[in-house]
Amino acid sequence: AQSVTQLGSHVSVSEGALVLLRCNYSSSVPPYLFWYVQYPNQGLQLLLKYTSAATLVKGINGFEAEFKKSETSFHLTKPSAHMSDAAEYFCAVSGRDFGNEKLTFGTGTRLTIIP
Amino acid sequence: AAGVIQSPRHLIKEKRETATLKCYPIPRHDTVYWYQQGPGQDPQFLISFYEKMQSDKGSIPDRFSAQQFSDYHSELNMSSLELGDSALYFCASSSIVAGGPGTQYFGPGTRLLVL
Repeated sequence: AQSVTQLGSHVSVSEGALVLLRCNYSSSVPPYLFWYVQYPNQGLQLLLKYTSAATLVKGINGFEAEFKKSETSFHLTKPSAHMSDAAEYFCAVSGRDFGNEKLTFGTGTRLTIIP
Repeated sequence: AAGVIQSPRHLIKEKRETATLKCYPIPRHDTVYWYQQGPGQDPQFLISFYEKMQSDKGSIPDRFSAQQFSDYHSELNMSSLELGDSALYFCASSSIVAGGPGTQYFGPGTRLLVL
């Protein structure tokens, strides 16, 4: 079984400040890890994914995440927050094998940007 | 680029009625996933299909059924609707690639309200 835990259901940062959203995973096998963003009343948009290539993954909109096996973490960062980053962010995990690719999501982190 | 299409976008039903949600995957994608997102909740996996066969099953009620057709579109049929079925229903599609599952791309969702 796989799961992810997102620390902090709400995070507020000032515009231009560092964004750090935390995600820890649990998996008995090497997982695939994802970050998705959801704007109000919209679908889920993929920010970035880790599939066992480079441990530092760069995504869209200036976001990146680092896979740390020793810490079972996959935290999402952005050096400088923008007002348009305000949204709900979901960390997700899946297996690598056929029939085990369903996404299991964390409970989400709502990011608020303070002008 | 073509995205996942879901219809209808909004649906209002009475208790005990039936509903059918449709999903049209990205062209050449062979796998479809259904997720349910309750108010303020993270998305929960319901069911998936690969090449028209059920590939995985999650927490889908027995009142729900789904299938994937020869043109790869999928339908989620929901009967005896309950108030608790009110949620956002997402469809995602992917393509099985060499070495493992592909990235899931989400549609905009169908918002179902049961009165």
